[in-house]
Amino acid sequence: EDQVTQSPEALRLQEGESSSLNCSYTVSGLRGLFWYRQDPGKGPEFLFTLYSAGEEKEKERLKATLTKKESFLHITAPKPEDSATYLCAARSGAGSYQLTFGKGTKLSVIP
Amino acid sequence: DGGITQSPKYLFRKEGQNVTLSCEQNLNHDAMYWYRQDPGQGLRLIYYSQIVNDFQKGDIAEGYSVSREKKESFPLTVTSAQKNPTAFYLCASSMRDGYGYTFGSGTRLTVV
Repeated sequence: EDQVTQSPEALRLQEGESSSLNCSYTVSGLRGLFWYRQDPGKGPEFLFTLYSAGEEKEKERLKATLTKKESFLHITAPKPEDSATYLCAARSGAGSYQLTFGKGTKLSVIP
Repeated sequence: DGGITQSPKYLFRKEGQNVTLSCEQNLNHDAMYWYRQDPGQGLRLIYYSQIVNDFQKGDIAEGYSVSREKKESFPLTVTSAQKNPTAFYLCASSMRDGYGYTFGSGTRLTVV
């Protein structure tokens, strides 16, 4: 059974304090590792897709990396507007298209 | 602009009633999905459809029903058999190969 585990569940940072969010996955034949941002009461907003170990992608203060067992979302010098829940999801190569989601990490950036 | 529209944003249901949540997309995506989100839990798949007139049960399909008569539309009915329907419901769509996964803005259903 495919599983995605995110840690920590919640993270409080001071503005400018860099940190990382972790996403561990066990899927059969990874066909994509996805990161989404979700604001309260809204749908998830796509951030990145990673496909192979060693791949990295960046967007503003966010950088996502992928290994064979985990993905990290690095947040550099965060600002209060980065506060949100960050969701990780994996798609296996087992013939289906749906994603398996983790429970998310709620990030709070304090001014 | 292309996207997914869910309506209504908020929905209230009395005990014993069936309610239908709307999901429409103009992305020309083949596949559509319904997820349920509860506090402290990940998104759980209710139903998905890869082509018109065909759909499959997800992990928590009991008490729900769907139809896919048009490529653009994938409505979800929450029946009276669903014992705990209060939740945030998210619709998504993707291309046939699973890429371009996009979410709607969600419908919050509350039982009163």
